[in-house]
Amino acid sequence: GAGVSQSPRYKVAKRGQDVALRCDPISGHVSLFWYQQALGQGPEFLTYFQNEAQLDKSGLPSDRFFAERPEGSVSTLKIQRTQQEDSAVYLCASSLVPLTGTDYGYTFGSGTRLTVV
Amino acid sequence: EDQVTQSPEALRLQEGESSSLNCSYTVSGLRGLFWYRQDPGKGPEFLFTLYSAGEEKEKERLKATLTKKESFLHITAPKPEDSATYLCAVQAKNSGYALNFGKGTSLLVTP
Repeated sequence: GAGVSQSPRYKVAKRGQDVALRCDPISGHVSLFWYQQALGQGPEFLTYFQNEAQLDKSGLPSDRFFAERPEGSVSTLKIQRTQQEDSAVYLCASSLVPLTGTDYGYTFGSGTRLTVV
Repeated sequence: EDQVTQSPEALRLQEGESSSLNCSYTVSGLRGLFWYRQDPGKGPEFLFTLYSAGEEKEKERLKATLTKKESFLHITAPKPEDSATYLCAVQAKNSGYALNFGKGTSLLVTP
């Protein structure tokens, strides 16, 4: 596709529910990132994939957060037993190969706004 | 630990009134410093990457500069369509490819 596509755009979950957020990166992009952006804050790194390999998951805030990219394209971020502090915008970004992101910037999707009530 | 601090938090300018946004950073080995623009309800949009002190890049009314401790985003004769949040991020050589973002500067340009 022309850009990074994320779905759903908005998600309201009751506390304790599980949610799954989807990211469709630009076709052929090797690198994929997930970031969490709280209101009025900058994005915070969650995890990084190179193809299907999850190379860095140091930013995942707890073991309730899980991400996968089984075929090296679409990625899913899953949050189990959601809590109010999980309310945020979840952004996905991709680039052709890791270091081209530095010259052309990583391309971000518009994000999924998660509200836990 | 890598740190990125942006100032001011918010800035209001009249159309045509030039100004600068600041990004102070500490990082153990800079791979790149990024500037992004973010409009409400959208993801960050890439503007520039700077790699070493002394480097400058320009795009329309925007010019980014870099020293060993900070980066400036200069906005010359801004227009209302330049209103957005401007985010600065650093990528360290020894911490994979993750970007460490500041909180951003919210810019409002009034006619």
